[in-house]
Amino acid sequence: GQSLEQPSEVTAVEGAIVQINCTYQTSGFYGLSWYQQHDGGAPTFLSYNALDGLEETGRFSSFLSRSDSYGYLLLQELQMKDSASYFCAVRDDKIIFGKGTRLHILP
Amino acid sequence: EPEVTQTPSHQVTQMGQEVILRCVPISNHLYFYWYRQILGQKVEFLVSFYNNEISEKSEIFDDQFSVERPDGSNFTLKIRSTKLEDSAMYFCASTAGGTDTQYFGPGTRLTVL
Repeated sequence: GQSLEQPSEVTAVEGAIVQINCTYQTSGFYGLSWYQQHDGGAPTFLSYNALDGLEETGRFSSFLSRSDSYGYLLLQELQMKDSASYFCAVRDDKIIFGKGTRLHILP
Repeated sequence: EPEVTQTPSHQVTQMGQEVILRCVPISNHLYFYWYRQILGQKVEFLVSFYNNEISEKSEIFDDQFSVERPDGSNFTLKIRSTKLEDSAMYFCASTAGGTDTQYFGPGTRLTVL
């Protein structure tokens, strides 16, 4: 079967750093993507890792280890607007989404 | 910046009725997708479409569902006889290449009464 596992909820303080982990087991794999979704909104692309290592885009970084079937999203200098759900997704011919991690940010 | 658009933003229908959800993908994109998200749950793949035919579909995409690209700009999802459990957000997405980043539209909220 195909599955992606990520924590259901994470809480962090404004200005801090938070890491959201994702492990996957899928039949095909081109890469690992991360999407942000605010309540009532559409998924918005954040990052994509096709190769092992760290990709940095501003305050957000994403890491992939293909040998461990593992990746994470790192959010730095958290802002209240970062409160949202974050989905990891395996890129095959389609996207297979994880169940999402709800990020709560405390002032 | 080009974006995927979807209409209507909210569709309310009676159980058993047919609905057509419309999407206009980004103009130079070649691969098109439909996803759905039941309230509070994860985004689920429905179907992918390339070169005027379905390239892959999930088990959710049964005979009640169909997709069409009736002209050079629109991409539609039809549900022939809606059921209560079809109530969800339906997202269209498009990409230029098969493994490139998918860009999502704002979604259509379908409510089946």
